[in-house]
Amino acid sequence: EAQLVESGGDLIKPGGSLRLSCAASGFTFSNAWMTWVRQAPGKGLEWVGRIKSKIDGGTTDYAAPVKGRFTISRDDSKNTLYLQMSGLKTEDTAVYYCTTGPPDDYWGQGTLVTVSS
Amino acid sequence: DIQMTQSPSSLSASVGDRVTITCRASQSISTYLNWYQQKPGKAPKVLMYAASSLQSGVPSRFSGSGSGTDFTLTISSLQPEDFATYYCQQSYSTPRTFGQGTKVEIK
Repeated sequence: EAQLVESGGDLIKPGGSLRLSCAASGFTFSNAWMTWVRQAPGKGLEWVGRIKSKIDGGTTDYAAPVKGRFTISRDDSKNTLYLQMSGLKTEDTAVYYCTTGPPDDYWGQGTLVTVSS
Repeated sequence: DIQMTQSPSSLSASVGDRVTITCRASQSISTYLNWYQQKPGKAPKVLMYAASSLQSGVPSRFSGSGSGTDFTLTISSLQPEDFATYYCQQSYSTPRTFGQGTKVEIK
């Protein structure tokens, strides 16, 4: 059974840095394009960014609000996706999900990042 | 960036009702459109992809249509487990923007 498990969420002060991890199992992670999606408390879904598989170039794309502050990477040897966040702002407070997107549509349970002084 | 606008933002309906949610893109996205269902405290799950392809395991009372800029998600006969928030998302270009969501509540 395919599974994604996020970790690393925490309470962090504005301006701080944090790295989220997403451990994958049960499917061929190295072939998957992986995406981060976030959801602020009581708000809708926001696409954060994506990394392609290495065979497809391994390139990344980001949403404008996080571009230049967030970096997505992957370690296919560990079946793990990362989201390095820096220069955190209060508006980055959200549950962060990793997902493969359709048609496989595997999602993690989410990890909460709270940015507050 | 492509803007996705859903309507209505919320609706009240009864079990057995036919429910229609619309999604409009700010530019043509062909059929690069996904629909998600999200229940409180849970991760979203895809219902439809490529505008009208039913995700495996999703009940056939869900259907999707549209192309270009205008899309529709229809629930033919609303069931108790369908009360949730629904989101459209374009997969035509990055950033892969979502609509603001439509909350389907019990009347």
